[in-house]
Amino acid sequence: DAGVIQSPRHEVTEMGQEVTLRCKPISGHNSLFWYRQTMMRGLELLIYFNNNVPIDDSGMPEDRFSAKMPNASFSTLKIQPSEPRDSAVYFCASSFGQQETQYFGPGTRLLVL
Amino acid sequence: DAKTTQPNSMESNEEEPVHLPCNHSTISGTDYIHWYRQLPSQGPEYVIHGLTSNVNNRMASLAIAEDRKSSTLILHRATLRDAAVYYCILRDTAGGGADGLTFGKGTHLIIQP
Repeated sequence: DAGVIQSPRHEVTEMGQEVTLRCKPISGHNSLFWYRQTMMRGLELLIYFNNNVPIDDSGMPEDRFSAKMPNASFSTLKIQPSEPRDSAVYFCASSFGQQETQYFGPGTRLLVL
Repeated sequence: DAKTTQPNSMESNEEEPVHLPCNHSTISGTDYIHWYRQLPSQGPEYVIHGLTSNVNNRMASLAIAEDRKSSTLILHRATLRDAAVYYCILRDTAGGGADGLTFGKGTHLIIQP
């Protein structure tokens, strides 16, 4: 099994630009989670989906952030417009069921200049 | 989620056992104790979890106090590859409405050769 796949692995962009992060969960998993990790705030949950439906987006920082899951094998996290404080590592995780073990991807390291 | 308290860092020698403590004095009866770890530049990975009884798997053992207010993750023979941040997390499985993981600061485990 390839595990959770995230792309790109690294992204450098300028303030104001749109950024799209992508995630392919493990095949057969029906829950998908987006996390963000910074030195200041640690790992924090942004949003999670169950069966492609967003369940809890209370962790999304503000309206500049949006996430979609058009099908069971693909999710995107979009930041528009991006700001320097969005610089972080963004992780995607999936699980078979909301309460089961979560498997994390390698993360996308985002730097907004 | 109930809160956990872990030491900021611990140091151990290679090939020796490591005991990583976690305090969770406000744990509820339906909280499971989960441990994840994060190796450098990687996403978190599941280690072990338990409810009341001690648990063993190929990676580690989990010892849970009788009153469940504390637990200890045991690495029986640490290697350099076990150097990571270890997170103790409580997950409430009551009501079926689970959620993402709430990460604290974790314990930074340093392994000396």
